[in-house]
Amino acid sequence: GAGVSQSPSNKVTEKGKDVELRCDPISGHTALYWYRQRLGQGLEFLIYFQGNSAPDKSGLPSDRFSAERTGESVSTLTIQRTQQEDSAVYLCASSLGSLRTQYFGPGTRLTVL
Amino acid sequence: EDQVTQSPEALRLQEGESSSLNCSYTVSGLRGLFWYRQDPGKGPEFLFTLYSAGEEKEKERLKATLTKKESFLHITAPKPEDSATYLCAVQINAGNMLTFGGGTRLMVKP
Repeated sequence: GAGVSQSPSNKVTEKGKDVELRCDPISGHTALYWYRQRLGQGLEFLIYFQGNSAPDKSGLPSDRFSAERTGESVSTLTIQRTQQEDSAVYLCASSLGSLRTQYFGPGTRLTVL
Repeated sequence: EDQVTQSPEALRLQEGESSSLNCSYTVSGLRGLFWYRQDPGKGPEFLFTLYSAGEEKEKERLKATLTKKESFLHITAPKPEDSATYLCAVQINAGNMLTFGGGTRLMVKP
């Protein structure tokens, strides 16, 4: 079946611009996660959704980052006023429930010039 | 603070040369330990979940084991297509997200 999909696959933006990253989870997966992977570093948790609520936003690095989810479907991660340190691969994962195996999408590579 | 450390950072093997990757963890209440494989430019691909000390799981040339402090990913007679970064992650009782180690970059030469 279809896996987690993300779009765009690559995004180049100028410092100070806003960007939106999209994640389509596996159908039927109620839990959705966003992670960030900076060059040469491990994956960092950003935010977790159960349905369309976000009980854990503890990983969002600043108030420039926000995310929303429509029902148990698409999620968008928005970064406002992008900075060069936001350059990274943003990965989305989904799972059947909050304590089940997480399956990852291919990621969006964000480059802030 | 929950910590996950993987070693070595990089490992070069000849085809057929078996070895092990280590993932040591310090967490408050382990719910599960996960192994993923990540190829360049791609998202992590799920390999195994281990839940309790003594548990073992196998898939082709890979075998994952778990103790109370660490996990090993054993690679038997590796092939060049096993070259990838292997990621270890833990999920704790108090949370839902995964905490990842830094990964081991494995290179298998023919």
